[in-house]
Amino acid sequence: SAVISQKPSRDICQRGTSLTIQCQVDSQVTMMFWYRQQPGQSLTLIATANQGSEATYESGFVIDKFPISRPNLTFSTLTVSNMSPEDSSIYLCSVLRLAGKHNEQFFGPGTRLTVL
Amino acid sequence: GQQLNQSPQSMFIQEGEDVSMNCTSSSIFNTWLWYKQDPGEGPVLLIALYKAGELTSNGRLTAQFGITRKDSFLNISASIPSDVGIYFCAGVPGQGAQKLVFGQGTRLTINP
Repeated sequence: SAVISQKPSRDICQRGTSLTIQCQVDSQVTMMFWYRQQPGQSLTLIATANQGSEATYESGFVIDKFPISRPNLTFSTLTVSNMSPEDSSIYLCSVLRLAGKHNEQFFGPGTRLTVL
Repeated sequence: GQQLNQSPQSMFIQEGEDVSMNCTSSSIFNTWLWYKQDPGEGPVLLIALYKAGELTSNGRLTAQFGITRKDSFLNISASIPSDVGIYFCAGVPGQGAQKLVFGQGTRLTINP
């Protein structure tokens, strides 16, 4: 499996501020993703982080609110901008790695964000 | 878009009992994955299924890729306290890009 680390692991932020979450993978991966998991809910894909180009956002998520960078094959950042209490969630980095003939998808430990 | 219906939403069982949960969809999926999420952690991949009809085991866990490609189940035999957590099914749709679609999760509670 891929070893994925996220920083910070948790944070408590004030309304109107921004937080940047970092994701580091131990080896090169084919694809990186960012998910959101609201309290008591399942996982929702925010965007695919593309290396060297703009991220691909899912319906309901926009670049101005969730800017994403992926400067190389093992690192990505997600920024949650102009936060409101509704942004309180766990944010998860995920990677796709080729295992034999198939791709397997792994998740980081998550960043638990609370917005006051 | 594609949706996965996972059931049951929650289970309360005695230690040692077997557990069964499943996911269904009206759409075809190419890949089925089962994850477990412990409190404060990210989901951990338990079993991956890539072929219709495939039956795969991982210790006390067994999962199957439905022959219609529209469903999958996960069984846990002889449950133990560390099996407690939330189990998610996830699938890669039959068409389009590699984007996992997740079920709503099954919360498993075990009484010792």
